Amino acid sequence: DAKTTQPNSMESNEEEPVHLPCNHSTISGTDYIHWYRQLPSQGPEYVIHGLTSNVNNRMASLAIAEDRKSSTLILHRATLRDAAVYYCIPFKAAGNKLTFGGGTRVLVKP
Amino acid sequence: NAGVTQTPKFQVLKTGQSMTLQCAQDMNHNSMYWYRQDPGMGLRLIYYSASEGTTDKGEVPNGYNVSRLNKREFSLRLESAAPSQTSVYFCASTGQGREWETQYFGPGTRLLVL
Repeated sequence: DAKTTQPNSMESNEEEPVHLPCNHSTISGTDYIHWYRQLPSQGPEYVIHGLTSNVNNRMASLAIAEDRKSSTLILHRATLRDAAVYYCIPFKAAGNKLTFGGGTRVLVKP
Repeated sequence: NAGVTQTPKFQVLKTGQSMTLQCAQDMNHNSMYWYRQDPGMGLRLIYYSASEGTTDKGEVPNGYNVSRLNKREFSLRLESAAPSQTSVYFCASTGQGREWETQYFGPGTRLLVL
């Protein structure tokens, strides 16, 4: 499985953008890059995923480096509800599992 | 549409006791998963079922058994609980287990083994 490196924690002020980096230098060509987040005392929830092109949805944007060795999750305007642990996960269907690393704990200050 | 449901929400066991954690999904998904999450850690896969009638070991299967009862239900059994199995257990499901699909998680079962 591809290894990932994420900062342990990041802080942001409410309504400011948050850029969460992830290094996945050993990713293979067919692995999709998934991002999940886990709010306190809840199960993980899907945020966004992509393969090569940048992706946008109602929750966030995903910027993928041209060499696919890194990606950045962008929360455009952080709210208090966005305080969670964010996991970057290269997903290989052949392994049929999501491998969760330590993630980045995002703190949002009012 | 309840998504993924898990029972019970909380459980306290004594060492050596057995129990079954229940999971059900109403999204007509083929693939289902059991993960455990220890305090301050990421999730680790225990077992998964790619489709009804099949099960496979994940990263940490020792001490657990699973049953894919039907397409909706996937149970996790602890035959003889140990303190090392104190954890939060999450069930998840996805359509076909393909690399572009989303996994949907249940709310978790918090298990304490004394």
